[in-house]
Amino acid sequence: EIVLTQSPGTLSLSPGERATLSCRASQSVSSSYLAWYQQKPGQAPRLLIYGASTRATGIPDRFSGSGSATDFTLTISRLEPEDFAVYYCQQYGGSPLTFGGGTKVEIK
Amino acid sequence: QVQLVQSGAEVKKPGASVKVSCKASGYTFTSYGISWVRQAPGQGLEWMGWISAYNGNTNYAQKLQGRVTVTTDTSTSTTYMELRSLRSDDTAVYYCARVGDYSGSYFFDLWGRGTLVTVSS
Repeated sequence: EIVLTQSPGTLSLSPGERATLSCRASQSVSSSYLAWYQQKPGQAPRLLIYGASTRATGIPDRFSGSGSATDFTLTISRLEPEDFAVYYCQQYGGSPLTFGGGTKVEIK
Repeated sequence: QVQLVQSGAEVKKPGASVKVSCKASGYTFTSYGISWVRQAPGQGLEWMGWISAYNGNTNYAQKLQGRVTVTTDTSTSTTYMELRSLRSDDTAVYYCARVGDYSGSYFFDLWGRGTLVTVSS
């Protein structure tokens, strides 16, 4: 099973600042099959990025994904008020599908 | 419109079973799969299993093998998740989510709103 470790656990930033979230895999994720999701309280997760770097339909270009093998990054270039939420990475290169533990981006 | 609509909240006693439904609309049901993901209160996301709506093939998380069954009814575009021998730590919000139906497409691009299952004596 591929274990995903997200860091930091919590990121305290102000609107307009840049957010950099990390997702590290315990083994290489084949073909960069790595996705990122955003979840707000009381809501279902929303797909942001798949294939490590492809934005899902309707996702603003301030969200970008990068990385390969075992190290992946989600960057939010300038935080908007609606971006404060919990973010999860997920690998789909192997079974079982697994998620990281999440990074909470909170308002400083 | 493209959506997944889940059944309502459930309260069950330990040892009982629960069956949650997920009705798809707005897309070709048999061109995708459906996965189930759960989230315990204040916790992260846990993948439970997957079914191909095309041919009914399934794949389950080893942790839940033997307790979970996912089925699909193509005539109504509905997927069901049954969890048996419920325990208190099965208390969670259960989500259905659409996934692709081929290797390299198992990310979740459409989610239901979730169904709260509470297990309590």
